[in-house]
Amino acid sequence: DQQVKQNSPSLSVQEGRISILNCDYTNSMFDYFLWYKKYPAEGPTFLISISSIKDKNEDGRFTVFLNKSAKHLSLHIVPSQPGDSAVYFCAASVRKLIFGQGTTLQVKP
Amino acid sequence: DTEVTQTPKHLVMGMTNKKSLKCEQHMGHRAMYWYKQKAKKPPELMFVYSYEKLSINESVPSRFSPECPNSSLLNLHLHALQPEDSALYLCASSGNIGGSNQPQHFGDGTRLSIL
Repeated sequence: DQQVKQNSPSLSVQEGRISILNCDYTNSMFDYFLWYKKYPAEGPTFLISISSIKDKNEDGRFTVFLNKSAKHLSLHIVPSQPGDSAVYFCAASVRKLIFGQGTTLQVKP
Repeated sequence: DTEVTQTPKHLVMGMTNKKSLKCEQHMGHRAMYWYKQKAKKPPELMFVYSYEKLSINESVPSRFSPECPNSSLLNLHLHALQPEDSALYLCASSGNIGGSNQPQHFGDGTRLSIL
């Protein structure tokens, strides 16, 4: 049973435009949500997180939105840069992290 | 540069060998984790240590044996592994287990190949 789902395996965006990555979850007990970026041959790098008591968190070009009623999480990257090309994992936590399957983002120059 | 250091970066071993993976962090974190990641899959939790005590074992086979000698170090001892154990093994640390604003920080992993 997949508790955290990223339904889009890949996303391609033009440089300078907005990238929107989506994530759905099923467990209403999750109290903390995170996004990680992963380059090949490196470990996941923490990007941004949000507590279940909030609906938005911003950090520079990255904004995470949480819709608890829809059990939906999204990451907005504005403006997108070629260096953002990587695999993005969403994760949800209640004592331990559960990861989604990942979305490969390609930002074209 | 990652603040969680894992050694070795690559390891090739036979099914009868004994080897260890090492992980070190100096962020003062009190929770440390081992994950296994297969190609094109998300990381899967194996073990969690909290304050140097094993807190979670995700039903991992006994051929994997974790050890936490002190708050900065985490080892994973390997013995009699199978070819399907070939994967990227990731170590992570966080301030403590769960709670708000406690992201896990990952090392770059050890790429393990079992012959």
